[in-house]
Amino acid sequence: GAVVSQHPSRVICKSGTSVKIECRSLDFQATTMFWYRQFPKQSLMLMATSNEGSKATYEQGVEKDKFLINHASLTLSTLTVTSAHPEDSSFYICSAPDGRTLQQFFGPGTRLTVL
Amino acid sequence: AQSVTQLGSHVSVSEGALVLLRCNYSSSVPPYLFWYVQYPNQGLQLLLKYTTGATLVKGINGFEAEFKKSETSFHLTKPSAHMSDAAEYFCAVSDFSGNTPLVFGKGTRLSVIA
Repeated sequence: GAVVSQHPSRVICKSGTSVKIECRSLDFQATTMFWYRQFPKQSLMLMATSNEGSKATYEQGVEKDKFLINHASLTLSTLTVTSAHPEDSSFYICSAPDGRTLQQFFGPGTRLTVL
Repeated sequence: AQSVTQLGSHVSVSEGALVLLRCNYSSSVPPYLFWYVQYPNQGLQLLLKYTTGATLVKGINGFEAEFKKSETSFHLTKPSAHMSDAAEYFCAVSDFSGNTPLVFGKGTRLSVIA
């Protein structure tokens, strides 16, 4: 089946630094990708929708200037957490719908820890 | 708008006993429904999904779920629990376009007692 990858799988950074997370669809093109955040022992919450060739759309309460999204190509979306703080520590998961099958595929997630 | 309610944040069963995890949804359009499992510090694994057709859906690891439109439910069952089933389970809904984000329930943690 279709595969979505994320890189890195785990990252630890200092407070105030920026971290980039990549989401790739490996064998299909995705004009849209979704970014979710999961805090410990909680559910996945949609952060934003990444659109190839246009600006991302953000959910209410998510700061677009802090969480920069770039959908650089039909197979790659990146999420950059700028000026990270400890409260940004979370599990970030992306998903991408395969337009051929209308199925959504989730990446394995990225564990961000901000010290 | 769509939403999912999972009754019971924690369910505990004995090994070999029936597993029943409850999920009710709200959707103004015909829903696609999903169950995912998440093991500690790992990503999501799709257990099963309902899109159209047969309302009883069979998934991996012996799990199945039944779509009941009249009850707006999509409960997950497994006849006999195994120790390896202990994990977090999420019910999710999307619309039928396949191109919209999933809305997740809060999750149910399943514990299996030997």
